Amino acid sequence: GNSVTQMEGPVTLSEEAFLTINCTYTATGYPSLFWYVQYPGEGLQLLLKATKADDKGSNKGFEATYRKETTSFHLEKGSVQVSDSAVYFCALSETWAVDNQGGKLIFGQGTELSVKP
Amino acid sequence: NAGVTQTPKFRVLKTGQSMTLLCAQDMNHEYMYWYRQDPGMGLRLIHYSVGEGTTAKGEVPDGYNVSRLKKQNFLLGLESAAPSQTSVYFCASSPTGGAAFFGQGTRLTVV
Repeated sequence: GNSVTQMEGPVTLSEEAFLTINCTYTATGYPSLFWYVQYPGEGLQLLLKATKADDKGSNKGFEATYRKETTSFHLEKGSVQVSDSAVYFCALSETWAVDNQGGKLIFGQGTELSVKP
Repeated sequence: NAGVTQTPKFRVLKTGQSMTLLCAQDMNHEYMYWYRQDPGMGLRLIHYSVGEGTTAKGEVPDGYNVSRLKKQNFLLGLESAAPSQTSVYFCASSPTGGAAFFGQGTRLTVV
């Protein structure tokens, strides 16, 4: 079945450090890929997405590139801030044509990021 | 702009009690979902709906029931709560599947 695997956390960085959170996936068709962010005590917010191979999603300085050859969608940011401290979730969604399953999201286990001043 | 609203935000139940979680969205989305979030396990899909009057089972449906009588509302019921159902529950909606908008969550404790 479809699945998403993320690097384990917590990840602790100093402010202005470079961030990479690894995400790999297994899927039978051609999924769309997403990164969600969850701030303490809140729900999940969509951070960025990519819908086909080689697409790059970007938002708020975060980037991720859909790599079909390595089945990966790693999240990167060049210079993190304290305000980026949160839990980050990688997720995939199959297209209707493949599974007709309501486009449901399959999530990785989440990676907690803590940024210190 | 309310988006997705969940009620209640917190609840403590005794084993065997029942309750209903309400999810309401004001974006006219067709698809709605209920997830549970447990430490180290990400979010797991309980049930989902692809339109008014339809529901389907997700990854972990046992012990839960759902109803979608109105397009804007998606109810999650626990008929006889168990400690294993202690979790944070999230509702989400989406216009076409895929990218979804999430509510703030309901923290449920079953003692």
